[in-house]
Amino acid sequence: QSALTQPPSASGSPGQSVTISCTGTTDDVGGFDYVSWFQHHPGKPPQLLIFEVNKRPSGVPDRFSGSKSGNTASLTVSGLRAEDEAHYFCCSFGGRSNWVFGGGTKLTVL
Amino acid sequence: QVQLVQSGPEVKRTGASVTLACQTTGYTFTFYYIHWVRQAPGQGLEWMGMINPSSNTRSYAQNFQGRLSLTSDTSTRTGHMELTSLRSEDTAVYYCARQLYDGTGWYYGMDVWGQGTTVTVSS
Repeated sequence: QSALTQPPSASGSPGQSVTISCTGTTDDVGGFDYVSWFQHHPGKPPQLLIFEVNKRPSGVPDRFSGSKSGNTASLTVSGLRAEDEAHYFCCSFGGRSNWVFGGGTKLTVL
Repeated sequence: QVQLVQSGPEVKRTGASVTLACQTTGYTFTFYYIHWVRQAPGQGLEWMGMINPSSNTRSYAQNFQGRLSLTSDTSTRTGHMELTSLRSEDTAVYYCARQLYDGTGWYYGMDVWGQGTTVTVSS
């Protein structure tokens, strides 16, 4: 199973919104509503931001939102803050008891 | 408090094997799958496999077929990952994470992760 496709980088100024895409196929993103997004700071474990395409775990600010259209899922970070600077990874169920991650996007807050 | 606590760093020679542990607390161990995910230096996250501690059902990513073995011990609430025939490209931080599966669907994502274990492979 090939990794999901994410842009390697994204950026925005404080207060702005930025959207990160995650493109797969009908075998993964397009075929199941099991897309998650993680925030990853160096030296720390990934933190779950979004699960099942658009649901937020308790404690995750509503500045983070997820959506999906066809084979592409998206994470939108609104009201950018300095602490949002991190790597972001998408993940999808790929059927046949497999999961696949995206290559990751480095978000820079200008 | 739900926690996944992983074993300490490992340094191995190429061709050797490594076994990592992921000890869990604070939840019903058999209700959640345990995933294993790694991140090589400068690379993204890579899903390796998962195990259902209730049934010992396992699934492995194609890249690791034949080299990866996942086990779980309900008495100690611990998952184990063994990777054999190590090569330099296996140098990475290895994570375990839990996810709820009720027999019909997956819920809540990989919501709690271990702190990670660094494995260094050199010749």
